Amino acid sequence: GIQVEQSPPDLILQEGANSTLRCNFSDSVNNLQWFHQNPWGQLINLFYIPSGTKQNGRLSATTVATERYSLLYISSSQTTDSGVYFCAAPYGQNFVFGPGTRLSVLP
Amino acid sequence: SAVISQKPSRDICQRGTSLTIQCQVDSQVTMMFWYRQQPGQSLTLIATANQGSEATYESGFVIDKFPISRPNLTFSTLTVSNMSPEDSSIYLCSAYTYNEQFFGPGTRLTVL
Repeated sequence: GIQVEQSPPDLILQEGANSTLRCNFSDSVNNLQWFHQNPWGQLINLFYIPSGTKQNGRLSATTVATERYSLLYISSSQTTDSGVYFCAAPYGQNFVFGPGTRLSVLP
Repeated sequence: SAVISQKPSRDICQRGTSLTIQCQVDSQVTMMFWYRQQPGQSLTLIATANQGSEATYESGFVIDKFPISRPNLTFSTLTVSNMSPEDSSIYLCSAYTYNEQFFGPGTRLTVL
């Protein structure tokens, strides 16, 4: 099945800094999602981005399907951005999640 | 999008007992899934809840341990049977609609 990797595994930022999170996947995909799991465990949809670039406020994402990776950019980070960021790619009718990037934004 | 609710939100259970988790979606969806998230880990798919037929289980998960019901297109239940401390996890329900997967708030289970 498809393998999904994420880097870095952990990231500590000072408030206001920018960051880039990476997701690599082993097979071509027609769907890719980014999620933020907040400290209370809720998974929040960030982007559905099978290809191209999307922006939503301080967050943006780019997927280069031909090279099998996706990037999540966080600009001007805030303490509320803390949590774990997951990417997920489809495998058949299911989704495979990467191991996540744990982000801590310090005040 | 889809709005998903789960209950209970958390529970503390004794070893050897069973717990049924309910998942309700605010619209009809074809595909619903159940995931487990062990402490500090990523999400692992338990099974796909199929409406009108038996659930499809992933490797390492069996129906006797995790029976699933899907009586209609908006509702599903997952039972965690004969629990042990190793079953302590967050259990999440999800629905796939409009090319996106949406998640419920999760059920945080602690088994003593």
